[in-house]
Amino acid sequence: VQLVESGGGLVQPGGSLRLSCAASGFTFSDYEMNWVRQAPGKGLEWISYISSGGSTIFYSDSVKGRFAIFRDNAKNSLYLQMDSLRAEDTAIYYCARDEGHYDNSGYWPAPFDYWGQGTLVTVSS
Amino acid sequence: DIQMTQSPSTLSASVGDRVTITCRASQAISWWLAWYQQKPGQAPKLLIYKVSTLESGVPSRFSGSGSGTEFTLTISSLQPDDFATYYCQQYESYSPWTFGQGTKVEIK
Repeated sequence: VQLVESGGGLVQPGGSLRLSCAASGFTFSDYEMNWVRQAPGKGLEWISYISSGGSTIFYSDSVKGRFAIFRDNAKNSLYLQMDSLRAEDTAIYYCARDEGHYDNSGYWPAPFDYWGQGTLVTVSS
Repeated sequence: DIQMTQSPSTLSASVGDRVTITCRASQAISWWLAWYQQKPGQAPKLLIYKVSTLESGVPSRFSGSGSGTEFTLTISSLQPDDFATYYCQQYESYSPWTFGQGTKVEIK
């Protein structure tokens, strides 16, 4: 299993950036995916989730309305479109896989079992 | 949102010590509780899920316990490779998933 993020960099406040996460070593379309960020010297913050087929999406309040998560299962790739960036969005952004799934009993949540190495986003003028 | 509070924030210990980190949830979270280890410059690594299930490849000196709102991560005999920051995470609630603020285990 490998997750490789790209697309980070320096952007001015109010600008946009698109992050990518290339997945390999597993059947990408079978798994839910997430973005988690970590500001410099701070803890982990979950920011977005997308179901395996892409039909269910959630965002944290801190990015709702500004960020968009999407995936291309044919390309084994996850994306995060980040608009209206703020200084407080400066962080390392990780993509992370989880095995949450539905069966006859309902939904079974799962932790984040594989993470990429992260890509640094710096929002500064 | 379910808030997760870890204690202590920093822990100084020696090799061979028994170490316990506590994580409290703002409401009961059944058994959907995980622990991660993060070393400087690295991504977090899953150690324990469903409160007490060890992820494959994780040494047996790590263990998890608890229920309801209070959970613990225990390292039975601290090894040099264990000096790191540890995070708890609840994945009970579909949205948002939340992490504790982290506990840094330092060399005494």
